[in-house]
Amino acid sequence: AQSVTQLDSHVSVSEGTPVLLRCNYSSSYSPSLFWYVQHPNKGLQLLLKYTSAATLVKGINGFEAEFKKSETSFHLTKPSAHMSDAAEYFCVVSDLAAGNKLTFGGGTRVLVKP
Amino acid sequence: GAGVSQTPSNKVTEKGKYVELRCDPISGHTALYWYRQSLGQGPEFLIYFQGTGAADDSGLPNDRFFAVRPEGSVSTLKIQRTERGDSAVYLCASSLSGPNTGELFFGEGSRLTVL
Repeated sequence: AQSVTQLDSHVSVSEGTPVLLRCNYSSSYSPSLFWYVQHPNKGLQLLLKYTSAATLVKGINGFEAEFKKSETSFHLTKPSAHMSDAAEYFCVVSDLAAGNKLTFGGGTRVLVKP
Repeated sequence: GAGVSQTPSNKVTEKGKYVELRCDPISGHTALYWYRQSLGQGPEFLIYFQGTGAADDSGLPNDRFFAVRPEGSVSTLKIQRTERGDSAVYLCASSLSGPNTGELFFGEGSRLTVL
């Protein structure tokens, strides 16, 4: 069965400093992996996705993530945080064994301090 | 409309009552999904429609939950004999084709509170 673990429920960073959100996954097959962002009172939005092409994936708003099969990780990073990055972030896995259903992690809430 | 629309945005009901939540997907999207997000948790899959038919309803927690999509567009999630544990945000999403691309477009959700 597929599953996702987000290692930090909350992350606090200062504006202009790097952001790292950690994600580990479990999957029986070659997975597809995604990061979604949820701003307050807004719908979930896709940030980026990995589907077995390049292991370093670039997304919107300066975010990127690296797929590391040996570590079963898909950490999300951004070199310089903006105030507008304050939101909840979800790591998501999908594989054939689960009928390609999306399985979400528990989420990481990001606070950006001025 | 431009995005996925869900109504009502908030619903407060009493234990034992019947509730309907509506989802209007992006025009032209054949796939529609319902997820449930409890406080402090990630969304959990409920059901997925491809066109008018439920392609996968394995996430529905019990037979009190039912969803329809009679014309392949708008969908309604129906909950009978609501319980306090049903309190959550119910999210609807749509996509152009099936779930394997992962690019789902989500609505803002319907927050259900069962007293």
